[in-house]
Amino acid sequence: AQRVTQPEKLLSVFKGAPVELKCNYSYSGSPELFWYVQYSRQRLQLLLRHISRESIKGFTADLNKGETSFHLKKPFAQEEDSAMYYCALSGSARQLTFGSGTQLTVLP
Amino acid sequence: NAGVTQTPKFQVLKTGQSMTLQCAQDMNHNSMYWYRQDPGMGLRLIYYSASEGTTDKGEVPNGYNVSRLNKREFSLRLESAAPSQTSVYFCASRGTGGFQPQHFGDGTRLSIL
Repeated sequence: AQRVTQPEKLLSVFKGAPVELKCNYSYSGSPELFWYVQYSRQRLQLLLRHISRESIKGFTADLNKGETSFHLKKPFAQEEDSAMYYCALSGSARQLTFGSGTQLTVLP
Repeated sequence: NAGVTQTPKFQVLKTGQSMTLQCAQDMNHNSMYWYRQDPGMGLRLIYYSASEGTTDKGEVPNGYNVSRLNKREFSLRLESAAPSQTSVYFCASRGTGGFQPQHFGDGTRLSIL
């Protein structure tokens, strides 16, 4: 079985502060991991995926297989980063399992 | 550049009524998915279709049926709506090959009274 845990339902930081959204997963094989973002009343959008090792909108995420984590980080948060963030895992069946989401609020 | 299109965007039903949520994608994707999004629970997979002509149950299929009408379209039907099915429903599609992300529609906000 595959499971994704996002321990923080709500996270508030001040503008310019670093932000880290935590994600832990449980999967016996080699996972594909993604971060999706949902801005207010908009569709889910792919933010980044572990295989690409990319930085999107200043966000990065590193897969740590030892700790089974895929935390999302940004060194300097911006107000426009306020959104719901979902960590998701795709296993062998190509189904996505989502975490429960973290609502990030960046305060001015 | 439509991507994944869902209709309707909003709907209010009475308990016991039936309705079909429509989803279409124009990206020539093989796989399509239906999720429901509830506060504090993230997105949960209802049904998916790995390819045209096939459908499989996801995590929460009870009370729903699906039809993969053709490669483009994947509909979700509530035969007898219940208040517990009040939710936001998202359709998604995915291309073949490794590490392909899912692309989501705008969602359908469904309220059942």
